[in-house]
Amino acid sequence: KAGVTQTPRYLIKTRGQQVTLSCSPISGHRSVSWYQQTPGQGLQFLFEYFSETQRNKGNFPGRFSGRQFSNSRSEMNVSTLELGDSALYLCASSSSGGGAEQFFGPGTRLTVL
Amino acid sequence: KNQVEQSPQSLIILEGKNCTLQCNYTVSPFSNLRWYKQDTGRGPVSLTIMTFSENTKSNGRYTATLDADTKQSSLHITASQLSDSASYICVVFRGSYIPTFGRGTSLIVHP
Repeated sequence: KAGVTQTPRYLIKTRGQQVTLSCSPISGHRSVSWYQQTPGQGLQFLFEYFSETQRNKGNFPGRFSGRQFSNSRSEMNVSTLELGDSALYLCASSSSGGGAEQFFGPGTRLTVL
Repeated sequence: KNQVEQSPQSLIILEGKNCTLQCNYTVSPFSNLRWYKQDTGRGPVSLTIMTFSENTKSNGRYTATLDADTKQSSLHITASQLSDSASYICVVFRGSYIPTFGRGTSLIVHP
């Protein structure tokens, strides 16, 4: 069974631009969660989608948004990029969310110049 | 405030030795606690998931304990191997399954 895939793996953007990251979950998984990881703050929860609906949301500004498609693939968008948005963005999928085990992708390394 | 504190921040041990990592939390209401292993440049991998009623859970050479009364958890690694060198992250899920992460313990195993 293929694991969680994320594209692109690396991305360089400039301040003010916007970016879209993609996550394909494990086949059959309906829950996708997004996380930001930085050296300063560690791992932080962005949001979780289940069956195309946002079920939970972390404490991030509205510049961070996401969506999930009917095939469970998910995208995350960051608008008006700031230097502080430079981070490793991870997505994780699980069969049902909640207490189910999560499987992480390799992440997208975003650098904002 | 919902917080997860891990100690030590970093640890260096010799191959073959045992070690114990600590996790204290103030997350409420408690749903479950997880330990993840993250190798450099890769996504975290789940080691254990523990609910309120579970005191101990093992995964090979990894054994996690949970004391829900004192809100403490530990991860014990037995007979360490070079491949155990990684960051170990404690995560506590609250209520509607919103996670709060610890900052992790960086473990280095020397030959």
